[in-house]
Amino acid sequence: AQSVTQLDSQVPVFEEAPVELRCNYSSSVSVYLFWYVQYPNQGLQLLLKYLSGSTLVKGINGFEAEFNKSQTSFHLRKPSVHISDTAEYFCAVSVNNDMRFGAGTRLTVKP
Amino acid sequence: GAVVSQHPSWVICKSGTSVKIECRSLDFQATTMFWYRQFPKQSLMLMATSNEGSKATYEQGVEKDKFLINHASLTLSTLTVTSAHPEDSSFYICSATGPGTGGIYEQYFGPGTRLTVT
Repeated sequence: AQSVTQLDSQVPVFEEAPVELRCNYSSSVSVYLFWYVQYPNQGLQLLLKYLSGSTLVKGINGFEAEFNKSQTSFHLRKPSVHISDTAEYFCAVSVNNDMRFGAGTRLTVKP
Repeated sequence: GAVVSQHPSWVICKSGTSVKIECRSLDFQATTMFWYRQFPKQSLMLMATSNEGSKATYEQGVEKDKFLINHASLTLSTLTVTSAHPEDSSFYICSATGPGTGGIYEQYFGPGTRLTVT
């Protein structure tokens, strides 16, 4: 079965600095990849997804991610973060609609 | 489009009682619905997958007699936690997918239900 590893449990960063949240996946078949954001006591909001085509995917709120098949990675990036980006971020991999989530990365943006 | 709602958003119940959580797709037909459980500061763990009109498929380790899932229509799935105990306290999130959502193989998530068993 497929699996996801988020390499950083917590990422503190100052406002307006760039950030990268790392995600690696494992699967023996082709996958679909997703990044979700979760604010406290709320459900998941889709940031972006990779299904096929261009390996650089742009999402909402200025986030983007790059699919790297050789490195089995799907890292999330933002060039300049805001206080409001403080949240939990989940990387997910889906095979035949069986979606598995990483452990999450807590992004904390400090003023 | 592709909105999923959950009700209630939070519930407190006494140990030994049962509680039902509803998951609705508001603007699409959800042929498949998923139920996840999330403990504090942890990731989502898939509990079960249900297809409309069929019995749910439970993940290994999930007690099917304790977590009853019904997906009787294309817009509604329910999760009933029977004889709840404090260890069942958690955040339960549903998701749904179906034709015409515009997001192939994408699941649309509800806002979650916080269950506290006292």
